[in-house]
Amino acid sequence: QKEVEQNSGPLSVPEGAIASLNCTYSDRVSQSFFWYRQYSGKSPELIMSIYSNGDKEDGRFTAQLNKASQYVSLLIRDSQPSDSATYLCAAQTGANNLFFGTGTRLTVIP
Amino acid sequence: DTGVSQDPRHKITKRGQNVTFRCDPISEHNRLYWYRQTLGQGPEFLTYFQNEAQLEKSRLLSDRFSAERPKGSFSTLEIQRTEQGDSAMYLCASSTGQGVGEQYFGPGTRLTVT
Repeated sequence: QKEVEQNSGPLSVPEGAIASLNCTYSDRVSQSFFWYRQYSGKSPELIMSIYSNGDKEDGRFTAQLNKASQYVSLLIRDSQPSDSATYLCAAQTGANNLFFGTGTRLTVIP
Repeated sequence: DTGVSQDPRHKITKRGQNVTFRCDPISEHNRLYWYRQTLGQGPEFLTYFQNEAQLEKSRLLSDRFSAERPKGSFSTLEIQRTEQGDSAMYLCASSTGQGVGEQYFGPGTRLTVT
């Protein structure tokens, strides 16, 4: 099993809808979790971090963590065409390096 | 702009040549990371420095790869005797080392080995 797994998509949502992105992780990575956005040809940009069970909201983004189920999600409310990108889920071990999923490609249709 | 910077942004080289990339982290960050990303994959960890000490290396980092951070500021990643399989985006990230250590990425160096 890979440390972090994501559905590669693509995921298409209409403008204004809620986009839901999901990620599962193995027992080997369990400390902190991050969501990065990556536009085509660009480097990953940190958009959310979450460290404890529950929800964390930042503007239109909500990250959810459920350690019992080893599950992390990212909700994007009022999706905009500019949100179209690949979203990478990452988990941090005690050694501080990040394990990344393969990313979910999101397309927001105007 | 005080973000992470990387140089060069693009490098095309012939198989067998050596290449060196540079990363300048955010100035107050004492941790620096190198990752490699190929098409359709997430970044893969290569190595990590805290100040000038290289504390961890992935087994992905073959003997042809070496990284340094001589004064705890900028870092270099050298690939010797490049192979076509080395073609990838090489990403550098830095963090403060405080708390959980959110990592911020530079723009990357895209390497093409012909």
